Amino acid sequence: DVKVTQSSRYLVKRTGEKVFLECVQDMDHENMFWYRQDPGLGLRLIYFSYDVKMKEKGDIPEGYSVSREKKERFSLILESASTNQTSMYLCASASRLLAKNIQYFGAGTRLSVL
Amino acid sequence: GDSVTQMEGPVTLSEEAFLTINCTYTATGYPSLFWYVQYPGEGLQLLLKATKADDKGSNKGFEATYRKETTSFHLEKGSVQVSDSAVYFCAHRSGGSNYKLTFGKGTLLTVNP
Repeated sequence: DVKVTQSSRYLVKRTGEKVFLECVQDMDHENMFWYRQDPGLGLRLIYFSYDVKMKEKGDIPEGYSVSREKKERFSLILESASTNQTSMYLCASASRLLAKNIQYFGAGTRLSVL
Repeated sequence: GDSVTQMEGPVTLSEEAFLTINCTYTATGYPSLFWYVQYPGEGLQLLLKATKADDKGSNKGFEATYRKETTSFHLEKGSVQVSDSAVYFCAHRSGGSNYKLTFGKGTLLTVNP
């Protein structure tokens, strides 16, 4: 089974702190994604990576950056956390092959910024 | 632009009732269509998918048929169980993209015994 592991289930941070959310997948997938999930808004794509050191902005990249130094690991960085970044963050990975292009999700990290 | 519109919840049903969650989409090209499910405290997992018009995806008693003429992909189940209580997301992958999924806002289903 594909496993996508997010390092923390719950995080509480203070405004202005630098926050790292980590995601690791064990299926050698090329593509990895970060979403945020908010009630009434569904899932919104923050960033996408299609290879090591490669990234593309999603629909809501403002206030976030990402890092992909190794194929299996994709990090989301909040340079200076703000209260409006309180949310559930979901990481996903997928094969680049179209026939296998199913996104597999981690359990999520619920971040509270106080 | 690309979008997915699904039935707003919450939906509350009794066990063994019939379920329909409506989903319509706008997309470029010929999208693939998906239903994902999120059980309490978990991430999303793929429930079923369809990749071309008239395809029917099915899994765990759930079904959805890709209707190109009505741009719809409604989720149905003939007899729901308490264990089906979850949030359901409709999504599509546009024919112009091999990676980006566009999600609906999700529908919370609660099934009572």
